[in-house]
Amino acid sequence: DAGVTQSPTHLIKTRGQQVTLRCSPKSGHDTVSWYQQALGQGPQFIFQYYEEEERQRGNFPDRFSGHQFPNYSSELNVNALLLGDSALYLCASSLASLVGAKNIQYFGAGTRLSVL
Amino acid sequence: DAKTTQPNSMESNEEEPVHLPCNHSTISGTDYIHWYRQLPSQGPEYVIHGLTSNVNNRMASLAIAEDRKSSTLILHRATLRDAAVYYCILLSNFGNEKLTFGTGTRLTIIP
Repeated sequence: DAGVTQSPTHLIKTRGQQVTLRCSPKSGHDTVSWYQQALGQGPQFIFQYYEEEERQRGNFPDRFSGHQFPNYSSELNVNALLLGDSALYLCASSLASLVGAKNIQYFGAGTRLSVL
Repeated sequence: DAKTTQPNSMESNEEEPVHLPCNHSTISGTDYIHWYRQLPSQGPEYVIHGLTSNVNNRMASLAIAEDRKSSTLILHRATLRDAAVYYCILLSNFGNEKLTFGTGTRLTIIP
């Protein structure tokens, strides 16, 4: 049973460019959340997708957008990259029917984005 | 979101028990206490969660204070593979499923 997979593992971009990160959730999961983790910090919630719609959003600008596909996989897009966007981007999947405290999230290993 | 406070770092000897504390003085009655850990070069992984009673699973135990304002994650016999950053997170039981991470406790295991 494959866990959460993310691609690519590493990425180098320059300021102003656009980037797309991809995530395949754990088998059977229908909800995908994205987090940004700066060096030495805990992950920060970006947004969550369920039934192909953004259900919750953290305090991130509109340059960060996403998409969920019918097979539950997801993409994170970041436009007009800034140096401060350099971070580890984590994808987590979960099952919407397990609400509240039962909603355990399973994380991928992340995509390391470097903006030069 | 209710906040948690954890020590920045802790050290422990291999094969000894480790007690990782977490303070959450503003916890509400419907908040569960969750622990996740992040091994080097990996994403966070779920460890354990509880509400009021102490909890045990194959990875760890969770001891919750009677007033619920603090909790302790217990690793009964630490191994080198337990070296990680441990996060204590409060999660409402009313559908708010985003995880709010602090900076966690970096646990170093001494061989």
